[in-house]
Amino acid sequence: EAGVAQSPRYKIIEKRQSVAFWCNPISGHATLYWYQQILGQGPKLLIQFQNNGVVDDSQLPKDRFSAERLKGVDSTLKIQPAKLEDSAVYLCASSLGQGVIEQFFGPGTRLTVL
Amino acid sequence: DAKTTQPTSMDCAEGRAANLPCNHSTISGNEYVYWYRQIHSQGPQYIIHGLKNNETNEMASLIITEDRKSSTLILPHATLRDTAVYYCIVRVASFNKFYFGSGTKLNVKP
Repeated sequence: EAGVAQSPRYKIIEKRQSVAFWCNPISGHATLYWYQQILGQGPKLLIQFQNNGVVDDSQLPKDRFSAERLKGVDSTLKIQPAKLEDSAVYLCASSLGQGVIEQFFGPGTRLTVL
Repeated sequence: DAKTTQPTSMDCAEGRAANLPCNHSTISGNEYVYWYRQIHSQGPQYIIHGLKNNETNEMASLIITEDRKSSTLILPHATLRDTAVYYCIVRVASFNKFYFGSGTKLNVKP
């Protein structure tokens, strides 16, 4: 079974530039999550989708971050404009449903903002 | 946001049992204890979860105290590949939001 795919794996940009990350969850998984993991910390949930609807985006900095999951499968996370403090690993995860125990994580995208 | 307390790091000799403690003194009756681990440069991986009974699977055992205020994850025979950050998380079963703390960095040494 294929796992959660993410691209790119690494991205370096300058502050005030824009960047987008892509995630393809495990086939059949209705719930998709985006996490931000700053170096030395645990992952922090940014946004959770159930199919193509947003369940929780309370920790998403909406002035610069946006995310979509238009057809209930793939998802993109965008930052516009980026700040130095956005340097982190962005992890995508998926699960069969909201009440399901196990989340499956992708390898992450490491973003460096200069 | 995290409601758990874990040691920052621990060492374990290869082949010995690794016992990772977690304190969750404010846990509610409907909150489960979950353990995930994150190997360097990878996403977190589910290990085990429990409510109040001890649990065991092919990866680990979870021991939860009777008052549920603390738990211990046991890796019975640690290998070098078990070197990772281990996260203890409490979560209401029907609410899928995870709060990851900083976890415990387990160093398995030959």
